[in-house]
Amino acid sequence: NAGVTQTPKFQVLKTGQSMTLQCAQDMNHEYMSWYRQDPGMGLRLIHYSVGAGITDQGEVPNGYNVSRSTTEDFPLRLLSAAPSQTSVYFCASSPRPLSPGANVLTFGAGSRLTVL
Amino acid sequence: AQTVTQSQPEMSVQEAETVTLSCTYDTSESDYLFWYKQPPSRQMILVIRQEAYKQQNATENRFSVNFQKAAKSFSLKISDSQLGDAAMYFCDSILKGGGSEKLVFGKGTKLTVNP
Repeated sequence: NAGVTQTPKFQVLKTGQSMTLQCAQDMNHEYMSWYRQDPGMGLRLIHYSVGAGITDQGEVPNGYNVSRSTTEDFPLRLLSAAPSQTSVYFCASSPRPLSPGANVLTFGAGSRLTVL
Repeated sequence: AQTVTQSQPEMSVQEAETVTLSCTYDTSESDYLFWYKQPPSRQMILVIRQEAYKQQNATENRFSVNFQKAAKSFSLKISDSQLGDAAMYFCDSILKGGGSEKLVFGKGTKLTVNP
């Protein structure tokens, strides 16, 4: 099984450019989420989704859009990239709901984004 | 804001010794607590999971939890430390609210294992 696949692994953007980070999972997980990881800040939740057609904001949603048209895919869009969005981004998924059964997050390998 | 706090940005331990990483949480209704490990490969790996309604502390081989529910403390003990244990360690808790659930992570502790 592929698990959670993120693309691209590395990307360099100029300020103001747009791009989409792709995330796909083949485990039929209902819950999907995006985190950004910055030094000394841990992982901060950007957006999450509890199922197709449902998305919600996390701790740091500004500057990012998401959509969930299928169970498998959860792309993260940067409409106008800023240097403050330079980070490592992780997509993660889990069977839903999180609490009963304590379902564990499965993470993608991460995408390193640099905005110049 | 409801938070998860790791007060030790960095820790070091000698190989074969024991080290404890601390974590406190301020999230309501935390039914489950987790520790994840992130080695230099950047891949996030689950280390251990604690069910908050259970009195017994979780144990997975050399990794064990000291869960103090009243104090909202969830520390990770690594026994017989190995070089491969060197990594960033994150504790996290499920945050419930508004009909949704999401995981809140601490800022991490960087563990160095000295040979």
